[in-house]
Amino acid sequence: QSVLTQPPSASGTPGQRVTISCSGSSSNIGTNTVNWYQQLPGTAPKLLIYSNNQRPSGVPDRFSGSKSGTSASLAISGLQSEDEADFYCAAWDDSLNGWVFGGGTKLTVL
Amino acid sequence: QVQLVESGGGLVKPGGSLRLSCAASGFTFSDYYMSWIRQAPGKGLEWVSYISSSGSTIYYADSVKGRFTISRDNAKNSLYLQMNSLRAEDTAVYYCARTVTESFHHWGQGTLVTVSS
Repeated sequence: QSVLTQPPSASGTPGQRVTISCSGSSSNIGTNTVNWYQQLPGTAPKLLIYSNNQRPSGVPDRFSGSKSGTSASLAISGLQSEDEADFYCAAWDDSLNGWVFGGGTKLTVL
Repeated sequence: QVQLVESGGGLVKPGGSLRLSCAASGFTFSDYYMSWIRQAPGKGLEWVSYISSSGSTIYYADSVKGRFTISRDNAKNSLYLQMNSLRAEDTAVYYCARTVTESFHHWGQGTLVTVSS
């Protein structure tokens, strides 16, 4: 059981916009920044969004993040087949003194 | 460019020990916090441990506290994870990650640890 809650799956067709939610609590998302990671099949995770809505260099602006209260979301616009991957949200938890992850969302491009 | 290469994984019996290493290059290792994150087969990500740039601040997940020890050698640009009293549930790919502003900015390719009799 993950501390952060994500839907296990999401899907969309090429060109569509898809959002993935991440729900936490006051000790993690409510107080600290949210980060998103993309894990393509068979590869290591890669930072996609940090500090709620910042993109590392090289990440397309089709990917965006937002946070409100104890929830966050990742939006992917102009969906492409290469976006098919697992997506994880994460945040520091003040009560646990450590990072917590969501269970991951498997994105399928139909 | 930033490169992190883990090594030391393998098959170990329950109750056994293993030491993982992470060789860093392409950046000033001593300036950065580092972390270990693991992923059990077919499962999600789980943060394991964190160490500050000087090694003075260390955190562990409750699941490994008292069994795992994180350390670093800034002169050798290396991060370590000493794993003792290993259990079947420790079976996972272990990643090291450069940690910046509460996020894991760069990840290694991972090393597989299998705990089985």
